[in-house]
Amino acid sequence: GNSVTQMEGPVTLSEEAFLTINCTYTATGYPSLFWYVQYPGEGLQLLLKATKADDKGSNKGFEATYRKETTSFHLEKGSVQVSDSAVYFCALTITGGGNKLTFGTGTQLKVEL
Amino acid sequence: EAGVAQSPRYKIIEKRQSVAFWCNPISGHATLYWYQQILGQGPKLLIQFQNNGVVDDSQLPKDRFSAERLKGVDSTLKIQPAKLEDSAVYLCASSFRTGNTEAFFGQGTRLTVV
Repeated sequence: GNSVTQMEGPVTLSEEAFLTINCTYTATGYPSLFWYVQYPGEGLQLLLKATKADDKGSNKGFEATYRKETTSFHLEKGSVQVSDSAVYFCALTITGGGNKLTFGTGTQLKVEL
Repeated sequence: EAGVAQSPRYKIIEKRQSVAFWCNPISGHATLYWYQQILGQGPKLLIQFQNNGVVDDSQLPKDRFSAERLKGVDSTLKIQPAKLEDSAVYLCASSFRTGNTEAFFGQGTRLTVV
């Protein structure tokens, strides 16, 4: 089946620190990969996506590269801010699979001054 | 544009009672999804509609959960009777069509079964 594995949280960083949240996947078909973010009290929002191998998704200073050889899609940001504190979910859909999202368990990020 | 609307935001019920959640997707979005997010876990798809037809309900516990999307717009998800393990956030999402398109999520309904 399809599955997504994320590093466990919470991840606590100081402002301006470098962020990496690891994500690996297993897929029965050809996946598209996503990072969703959930700010406190809000719904899930798409942060970035990549639809084929070696694509890099980027948004709001975050980026992730689709690595087929390592089945990974790690999220990175060079300098985090307090406002980045949220829960981050890695997810995939399978091409031709009806757009059904398979999510990881989420990683909580806390950024402190 | 208006986002995905869900109501209520919060609901507390006793086990064995029934409950219903409502979702209004983004205008023009043909595909609607209901996900269940248990605390500490990622969202899990319960049911997916394309217009008013069911595309995938393989993970919907059909003995107690039901969902409908009359006229291909609004949708309701019902649980009857509720169990303690149904405590979760129920998320509704919509996308323009089935396929590789972005899904937009509502704020969710937090259900607590006591």
